[in-house]
Amino acid sequence: AQKITQTQPGMFVQEKEAVTLDCTYDTSDPSYGLFWYKQPSSGEMIFLIYQGSYDQQNATEGRYSLNFQKARKSANLVISASQLGDSAMYFCAMRGVSGAGSYQLTFGKGTKLSVIP
Amino acid sequence: KAGVTQTPRYLIKTRGQQVTLSCSPISGHRSVSWYQQTPGQGLQFLFEYFSETQRNKGNFPGRFSGRQFSNSRSEMNVSTLELGDSALYLCASSLGQGGPTGELFFGEGSRLTVL
Repeated sequence: AQKITQTQPGMFVQEKEAVTLDCTYDTSDPSYGLFWYKQPSSGEMIFLIYQGSYDQQNATEGRYSLNFQKARKSANLVISASQLGDSAMYFCAMRGVSGAGSYQLTFGKGTKLSVIP
Repeated sequence: KAGVTQTPRYLIKTRGQQVTLSCSPISGHRSVSWYQQTPGQGLQFLFEYFSETQRNKGNFPGRFSGRQFSNSRSEMNVSTLELGDSALYLCASSLGQGGPTGELFFGEGSRLTVL
């Protein structure tokens, strides 16, 4: 079974500052993928960044970077230069692949980020 | 390129009724999966369909069912609604196979309220 833990229910950050959202995971699969999604109040889940378990380098996408520490089983999201539009729920998720090749995501409980002007 | 479209966006039902939600995936995507999001349980996987076949199923009672049509559109049905079924139901599409990351693209969801 896979498990994602996000220990920060809520976070505040000053506009233009950097913020780190924590995520730890547990899995027995040798190969897995880790995702971060953003969910604004509208409800849509917006893909931010992906890290494969065998990727040697940490993933980056614009202002988003993923601090992947495999031995510690952590996949923290770093948002640089926060903007007011970054205020939203953020979910860490892990991809599991069933024997049938099905892609299924296991999500953490989420972190609510509030950016202060 | 159109995204994932879910209808209806909002609906209100009473206990004991049934509901059908619809999801149109991104053109070319053959996999559609459904997730339930509630404040208490968070996001939970319901099921996934690929080429009209249910490929994976989460731990939900048989009142929750789904299907996929030949054009990859999917519907999910909940029968004999209970108060606890009130949730945001999210649909996600993906290529289903051969995708490098298995990334899921989500719709805006259907928000169901059961009274």
